[in-house]
Amino acid sequence: NAGVTQTPKFQVLKTGQSMTLQCAQDMNHNSMYWYRQDPGMGLRLIYYSASEGTTDKGEVPNGYNVSRLNKREFSLRLESAAPSQTSVYFCASSEYSRTIGQPQHFGDGTRLSIL
Amino acid sequence: AQKVTQAQTEISVVEKEDVTLDCVYETRDTTYYLFWYKQPPSGELVFLIRRNSFDEQNEISGRYSWNFQKSTSSFNFTITASQVVDSAVYFCALKGRDDKIIFGKGTRLHILP
Repeated sequence: NAGVTQTPKFQVLKTGQSMTLQCAQDMNHNSMYWYRQDPGMGLRLIYYSASEGTTDKGEVPNGYNVSRLNKREFSLRLESAAPSQTSVYFCASSEYSRTIGQPQHFGDGTRLSIL
Repeated sequence: AQKVTQAQTEISVVEKEDVTLDCVYETRDTTYYLFWYKQPPSGELVFLIRRNSFDEQNEISGRYSWNFQKSTSSFNFTITASQVVDSAVYFCALKGRDDKIIFGKGTRLHILP
């Protein structure tokens, strides 16, 4: 029972390096999300995708790009990593519905450190 | 803009005490959904409950209960007879018409043996 799979689980980068975080779900969900979690800040939405080929900015999109490659996969890219992007990143998915608020299923997170 | 406020940053109670976690939300949508998630020390996020804006009935699940009040824009979570395993960070979240889910900053709950 895979659910939402994130890779890698841990990564250390140097300032200025680029990196793509991968996320895949096997639940046939339409909606996918990327969040970052920082101490005392809760989870903040970076980007959201309602379906394949569509993406939308969340609360903190600066410094990130996303790609919804297909229904299963939603990747997050840091083009030029900065120390302020040190965080734990969570990917999530849910059934898309405007009438029934479906809960999200979360991956286990990627712990990213930028030196 | 939508907003979720969890004013309690950290709470400590002794085991078997009751504890209530507060959640206040802001939205202009007439239809919206509220959620509670638990994040234990292991780090995963666990869905606990969903409530839609048209259903103000309180819900009880074992030792957990939720009080939704539209008049005060609150969706509070009570744990009765707390246990050490309840120690975790608890997040309240809000989903509006645009399908984005916004989280509060979380409340870290310590249950002391």
